[in-house]
Amino acid sequence: DAGITQSPRHKVTETGTPVTLRCHQTENHRYMYWYRQDPGHGLRLIHYSYGVKDTDKGEVSDGYSVSRSKTEDFLLTLESATSSQTSVYFCAIRDSGGSYNEQFFGPGTRLTVL
Amino acid sequence: AQKITQTQPGMFVQEKEAVTLDCTYDTSDPSYGLFWYKQPSSGEMIFLIYQGSYDQQNATEGRYSLNFQKARKSANLVISASQLGDSAMYFCAMREGLLLNQGAQKLVFGQGTRLTINP
Repeated sequence: DAGITQSPRHKVTETGTPVTLRCHQTENHRYMYWYRQDPGHGLRLIHYSYGVKDTDKGEVSDGYSVSRSKTEDFLLTLESATSSQTSVYFCAIRDSGGSYNEQFFGPGTRLTVL
Repeated sequence: AQKITQTQPGMFVQEKEAVTLDCTYDTSDPSYGLFWYKQPSSGEMIFLIYQGSYDQQNATEGRYSLNFQKARKSANLVISASQLGDSAMYFCAMREGLLLNQGAQKLVFGQGTRLTINP
């Protein structure tokens, strides 16, 4: 258990509304990531963070923004949700102290945009 | 650009049989790491096994082993003596860069293989 929680776990929203997903970790990891999972695509990286206020884009960043004002929290915001953003969103941390620098994932957030 | 391909969308195996899940990769970086994750129906992502590009031996973790063929750019997951609890989605992923590289170490995932173990 890498101490990662995501909130909300499920959300249904309407097209055009803003949505913020929260990832919270308790073990002071420096690197945090947001992925989305869609059938046929596996997981794809949206944004990642390498420290407080330090973020960068991933493979599928269009339509998403992130913020990290505290080490423990990494927020993903959909400024104006679209149906194509219906997905399962996973937050991950990288365990730099682990044997393989592996990433550990939160439980996921299922987002439906109607 | 790095790429991961899992060509088996689904596999069906009898309980207690061994199963091999295929993964091929493409990268121009000589230093990389390969990961396998399991996603059961409950949805969480579980790290299973890791292979570094310079590792001399194939990785093993309990019933999981990785058949690493560097020249063929393949990193197949082998599960010995399959169990009903092995039914899940399995993802292969790659990270470019050395273990000690403190860069982003982003993961690129394959599409996944859904494994079903029949009793």
